[in-house]
Amino acid sequence: AQSVTQLDSHVSVSEGTPVLLRCNYSSSYSPSLFWYVQHPNKGLQLLLKYTSAATLVKGINGFEAEFKKSETSFHLTKPSAHMSDAAEYFCVVSDGYSTLTFGKGTMLLVSP
Amino acid sequence: DAGVTQSPTHLIKTRGQQVTLRCSPISGHKSVSWYQQVLGQGPQFIFQYYEKEERGRGNFPDRFSARQFPNYSSELNVNALLLGDSALYLCASSLSSGEYPETQYFGPGTRLLVL
Repeated sequence: AQSVTQLDSHVSVSEGTPVLLRCNYSSSYSPSLFWYVQHPNKGLQLLLKYTSAATLVKGINGFEAEFKKSETSFHLTKPSAHMSDAAEYFCVVSDGYSTLTFGKGTMLLVSP
Repeated sequence: DAGVTQSPTHLIKTRGQQVTLRCSPISGHKSVSWYQQVLGQGPQFIFQYYEKEERGRGNFPDRFSARQFPNYSSELNVNALLLGDSALYLCASSLSSGEYPETQYFGPGTRLLVL
């Protein structure tokens, strides 16, 4: 069985400050992990994915995530938030093929 | 390049009715997956189809069914609608070319409201 826990339902930051969205995973095998973003009334967009090639994964729009096996974590970070980053973010664990298991989501609020 | 497309964008039905949702994958993608996203929750996996065969099924009742056509498009059918079926239904496609882990690309969704 696999699951993810997103530790914050809402995160509020000011524009220009760092972003940290936390995710812990549970998997009975070597996990495949993703972060997706969902803007209002839009579909899900892939930000980045962990493929075991490197523990620090760089994604689009300046986001990155670090895989820490000892902590079973895959936190998403960005050095400087932009107003356009306001959206809902989902941490996802995969069995590698057919099944994506989503966390409950973290709503990122960015204030000017 | 065209992404994953879904139709209709919005739908209103009444309890007990049946609904069919449609999805066209990205050109060249052979696999289609369906997810249900209830308001305030993350998407939940319903089905995956590859080359017209079911490759995975989530924990949903038999009222939910799907199929994939030779052109790789897909339909999701839900019978005997319940109020709790109101949700955003997302379709995702993937290449299934041996990539690991497989990346799924999502469409904009169909918002279903059951009254």
